[in-house]
Order: sequence, then structure tokens, then C-alpha cells
Amino acid sequence: NSKVIQTPRYLVKGQGQKAKMRCIPEKGHPVVFWYQQNKNNEFKFLINFQNQEVLQQIDMTEKRFSAECPSNSPCSLEIQSSEAGDSALYLCASIQGSYEQYFGPGTRLTVL
Amino acid sequence: GDSVTQTEGLVTLTEGLPVMLNCTYQTIYSNPFLFWYVQHLNESPRLLLKSFTDNKRTEHQGFHATLHKSSSSFHLQKSSAQLSDSALYYCALYQGGRALIFGTGTTVSVSP
Repeated sequence: NSKVIQTPRYLVKGQGQKAKMRCIPEKGHPVVFWYQQNKNNEFKFLINFQNQEVLQQIDMTEKRFSAECPSNSPCSLEIQSSEAGDSALYLCASIQGSYEQYFGPGTRLTVL
Repeated sequence: GDSVTQTEGLVTLTEGLPVMLNCTYQTIYSNPFLFWYVQHLNESPRLLLKSFTDNKRTEHQGFHATLHKSSSSFHLQKSSAQLSDSALYYCALYQGGRALIFGTGTTVSVSP
């Protein structure tokens, strides 16, 4: 069972507002992934970190999101200016040395 | 680029009947890791099966799958479906340090 913690579980924002969500990876897992699952249940990789460093991110994340994984603090993903199309389930997953990604419960964002 | 194909969008069946979900993949990586995730309504994806060993059957919770590198396939099977198996099933490909590549998902609906 996954021990990844995500908060908040639900987030409602107006267009143009910032939306911030957090993830605490499993203890000892240095690699963290963020995915977006849209209303059509399609997954989109957003960004991943190893320890505090960004490994990969897509253009959208670089342009519109702010993300970090500081040591001894939760990882965070923040949309700088929410759009209706950002309404989705945001999933955080962490891995250790193995290749298995275990997901947290997700943050469901609704942008009105 | 790398991809995962799930040919069935929706599978409907009666409880007690066998179920098989197709998954094929494309990758240039010679040692891919393949996964099946299950996602029940209003939950996050949960790892169901995993494999990186060619021609070796892997089993969990009544489900089984065998990675066949010769045909780039990792089909999911269960001999007798239960009502609780109704969910979304995703096949996913992982290539060490990179993001999971998900298929489009198959919705399984089991009726009494």
C-alpha cells in the first residue's frame, strides 16, 4: 500500500487564481513524479525530481507551474494562474531504487 | 516514440466469466518494465502487477500477466471476474528514471 501523502484532497479555484498542492513521498524515496489525469482519464507527466533537483519537465510545467521538492519539507506543485483546462486529478508518485511507482490519493482540482 | 496500446476501451462481462485485457507496447529500450494499474472510482491508481522478465508469469490478487518481448505484449487475465473487479485498468511502460507511459485505459464493468 502506498504511503504517499497528498494534500489537499480537493481544491476549488477561480480562473486566474493560484492553485497549490503538496506531496509527501514515502520515507527514503528520493524520486518524485507528478502526473495530471484529466476528465478523459488520460495521464500527462508533468515533472519529476531526484532529491531536490528537477530531472525532467514538460513545457507546460515550465511555463505555468512552479514546483519544488525541498529537503525536509513536502514537495509542492503550484499553478500560477489557473485555467478551466487545469481541472484534473493531480497525482504524486515516488520511487526508491526500484522501478515501481506508488501513487498518493491525488488532489482533485476544479477551476470554476 | 515509446507508446502503450490498449485496444479495448470498455469490457463488459458477467461475474464468473474470464477476462483478458490486451496491452502491447513500443519502445527502443531493450529492457522495459511493464505494469498494470487498477483505478477504482474516485481513487488513485494502484499497482496490480509488474514485470521485466521475459516469458515469466506474474500473479497478484487472482490476476496474471506474462511479458512477451517477442510480441511486445503484456496482457492481463483473470479466470473468474468478480463484481469488485469493476474498475479502470491501465497498462504502463517504464524505462528507468523516466516517467511512466500509460495506455488509454480499459474500463471493466462486471455485472451479476
